[in-house]
Amino acid sequence: KQEVTQIPAALSVPEGENLVLNCSFTDSAIYNLQWFRQDPGKGLTSLLLIQSSQREQTSGRLNASLDKSSGRSTLYIAASQPGDSATYLCAVNDNQGGKLIFGQGTELSVKP
Amino acid sequence: NAGVTQTPKFRILKIGQSMTLQCTQDMNHNYMYWYRQDPGMGLKLIYYSVGAGITDKGEVPNGYNVSRSTTEDFPLRLELAAPSQTSVYFCASSLPIAGGTDTQYFGPGTRLTVL
Repeated sequence: KQEVTQIPAALSVPEGENLVLNCSFTDSAIYNLQWFRQDPGKGLTSLLLIQSSQREQTSGRLNASLDKSSGRSTLYIAASQPGDSATYLCAVNDNQGGKLIFGQGTELSVKP
Repeated sequence: NAGVTQTPKFRILKIGQSMTLQCTQDMNHNYMYWYRQDPGMGLKLIYYSVGAGITDKGEVPNGYNVSRSTTEDFPLRLELAAPSQTSVYFCASSLPIAGGTDTQYFGPGTRLTVL
């Protein structure tokens, strides 16, 4: 059974720092991996989707990497800003039905 | 495009009551999903559908039912509400692509409390 774990559960950094969020999964046979952002009391917003054949995806200050063989993904945020404060969730799609298996999330706080 | 819309935004139910959570998407997506999110946890899949007339169970289906009569709508039914169903419910949709599915788009959620 696929399990997804995110470490740390919470992270606080000063504004301007570069940071890395971690996601690990137990079964490397995946179709893709997605990173989402969730603001308090809101729904999820997709940040990046990495297909199983890709190693990384970039969008602005965000860069997500995927290492299937080791069951790991990282989300790199450059030059963090207070507006980046949110919970970041990773989710794995390991089946053709598109069902996502989520990690518990990392709550990020960027202090001015 | 409105994307994925959900109603209601908030609801309080008494134990044993029933209700339907509505979900509509206007992106012509084949695939639709219902997740629940408990405090401090990730999302867990309740039911999903790969097209009109086709539904299947996810990880936590007990106490829920779904139907998919149109591409746009995917309602979630709670028949006999229990305190364990207190949660935030999210609907999502996506398109199938070769080797899996594309990005999932989420609605704003329905916050349900069962007392």
